[in-house]
Amino acid sequence: DVKVTQSSRYLVKRTGEKVFLECVQDMDHENMFWYRQDPGLGLRLIYFSYDVKMKEKGDIPEGYSVSREKKERFSLILESASTNQTSMYLCASRSGVDYEQYFGPGTRLTVT
Amino acid sequence: EDQVTQSPEALRLQEGESSSLNCSYTVSGLRGLFWYRQDPGKGPEFLFTLYSAGEEKEKERLKATLTKKESFLHITAPKPEDSATYLCAIVTGANSKLTFGKGITLSVRP
Repeated sequence: DVKVTQSSRYLVKRTGEKVFLECVQDMDHENMFWYRQDPGLGLRLIYFSYDVKMKEKGDIPEGYSVSREKKERFSLILESASTNQTSMYLCASRSGVDYEQYFGPGTRLTVT
Repeated sequence: EDQVTQSPEALRLQEGESSSLNCSYTVSGLRGLFWYRQDPGKGPEFLFTLYSAGEEKEKERLKATLTKKESFLHITAPKPEDSATYLCAIVTGANSKLTFGKGITLSVRP
C-alpha cells in the first residue's frame, strides 16, 4: 500500500512566521503535489514536482514555495504566513506510469 | 477550460436506500476519471479509476460508471459508515494534473 505521511496534523502559527510543511512518501513515486482545500472551493493545486529538484507552479502558487531535495520528500514553505493561508493542506504522490494520486492525511494550518 | 461538476452538493439517505452521485465533465482528451472518498478532517482515499466510456468498476456497495460526458457513483443499500464526501477528478493534457469537482457530501441515517 502507498503511504504518504505529513509532518503535522494540526499547526497554529502567527502572521508573518515562516512555516514548513513536510510530506514523505514510501513508494518511490516520481511525482508529488501540494494542494489546499477550502470549503466551497474544493482542492486547488499549489505546486507540483516531477523529479528531484524540479518544481512547477500549480493554480495558486502565490505566497508559497517548495523544495524537493530527495525523491521521497516534498516540502511546502510559507515564507510569511498570512491569515488567508489558514486552510487544510494536502500532499499527494503518484508514480510516473499511473495517473491516480495518493493523498496524505492532511495538515490543518491556522494562522492567527 | 477543463471543468468538473458534481451533483447534488449534499445527499441524505436512509440506510438501505440506494442512489447515485453524478460527476459531469467538459474536457477534450480525457485520460482518466477518478473517484475518491474523504472523511472529515482526513485526506482523500482513492476508490476508482475509469479510462473509457462504458467502463465500470465495483467495490463492495459502490459501482462507478463512465460515459463520454459524465460518471456515476452508484451506492447500493448504503450503511451509515458510507457517510463521507465523495470527490470526482479528471486528468487531461500532457502535464497530467488532476482537476477536482467540489465534492458531494453523503449522509446515511441508520
